Amino acid sequence: GDSVIQMQGQVTLSENDFLFINCTYSTTGYPTLFWYVQYSGEGPQLLLQVTTANNKGSSRGFEATYDKGTTSFHLQKTSVQEIDSAVYYCAMRGKVVGQLTFGRGTRLQVYA
Amino acid sequence: EAAVTQSPRNKVTVTGGNVTLSCRQTNSHNYMYWYRQDTGHGLRLIHYSYGAGNLQIGDVPDGYKATRTTQEDFFLLLELASPSQTSLYFCASSEGARQDTQYFGPGTRLLVL
Repeated sequence: GDSVIQMQGQVTLSENDFLFINCTYSTTGYPTLFWYVQYSGEGPQLLLQVTTANNKGSSRGFEATYDKGTTSFHLQKTSVQEIDSAVYYCAMRGKVVGQLTFGRGTRLQVYA
Repeated sequence: EAAVTQSPRNKVTVTGGNVTLSCRQTNSHNYMYWYRQDTGHGLRLIHYSYGAGNLQIGDVPDGYKATRTTQEDFFLLLELASPSQTSLYFCASSEGARQDTQYFGPGTRLLVL
């Protein structure tokens, strides 16, 4: 069945460090892929999405590349700030109309 | 920006108790969802609906009922609450098949003693 894998449960960085969060997916075909961000005390919100395989998505300094060869959609940012501390979810639109499959989430903690 | 509200924001009940969580969205979205969020599991879909009167089963439906009374309102019912249902519950909405972005509410924290 469809699945989204985020192996990193927690990432701890200092300000201006480089961020890389792994995400791989498993399904047939080329799904639309998403990154959602959840700040403390709030619901998740869309960070970026990519519909077409081998395209990039970017928002607020974050970037993700849809790599159909490796079935990956890793999230990266060149220089993180303390305000980026949040939980990041990778998600995929699977076969069921209107339904998303989420990864387990990666908690990012950035220290000043 | 889509607006999704949830009530109550916090709820405490006892084992065997009856709980109703409410969700309202004000952007005429067709799809509405109920998720639970637990450490180590992320977001898991309980039930969803693509219109008033419609209900679809998600990935973790056991112990939950849901009802979509109008396009705006979606309710999650726990008729015999158990401690395993202690969690943070999120409601979300989306326009539908062509527009996947889901807009989430602020969440309801439920504690079952």
